Amino acid sequence: EPEVTQTPSHQVTQMGQEVILRCVPISNHLYFYWYRQILGQKVEFLVSFYNNEISEKSEIFDDQFSVERPDGSNFTLKIRSTKLEDSAMYFCASSVLSMLNTEAFFGQGTRLTVV
Amino acid sequence: DAKTTQPNSMESNEEEPVHLPCNHSTISGTDYIHWYRQLPSQGPEYVIHGLTSNVNNRMASLAIAEDRKSSTLILHRATLRDAAVYYCNLRDAGGTSYGKLTFGQGTILTVHP
Repeated sequence: EPEVTQTPSHQVTQMGQEVILRCVPISNHLYFYWYRQILGQKVEFLVSFYNNEISEKSEIFDDQFSVERPDGSNFTLKIRSTKLEDSAMYFCASSVLSMLNTEAFFGQGTRLTVV
Repeated sequence: DAKTTQPNSMESNEEEPVHLPCNHSTISGTDYIHWYRQLPSQGPEYVIHGLTSNVNNRMASLAIAEDRKSSTLILHRATLRDAAVYYCNLRDAGGTSYGKLTFGQGTILTVHP
């Protein structure tokens, strides 16, 4: 069964450093998303990406965040200068169509720890 | 997004049916009802979705009230693997959003052996 894969599974970084979280969505999917979940809290939307551009973003997704689909298969989330409060599980998701009337597939997540 | 209300937690015994309720009294005519779940230490997983009619798939059934102001996710025979947080979400077909799914606190389902 096709799946969304995320690497690394766990990333530890020092405050102020840049991190890139990587995702390989399912190959025929057109919509891509990043979510995060701070420990013990709910899953929060960060950004959606379609047709090589951001289609929607939340207030959390400020100038420190960026997304890219560099080669048609990978979908990355970059945090330019990490803060302690960026520590969370980050989930990538993809769907064939928008999440409106189809299922979205989520990856297993990357646990980011900022120290 | 229209708001949904779910109980914080529910408990069930293994092999018994589970009915997980969701209230969405402000639902609009174009809102789809989506259910996802999150098993411990995993990403969210799609369960089922519907618009007006009841829906069945291999995982669960979705019963939608006639006025669409509430719905119920039905797990016909709970297993230990069904222990998870279950999220009820609405998505607006009439909106301009490209499909953002908004997660609330969900219902923590505990399944006892």
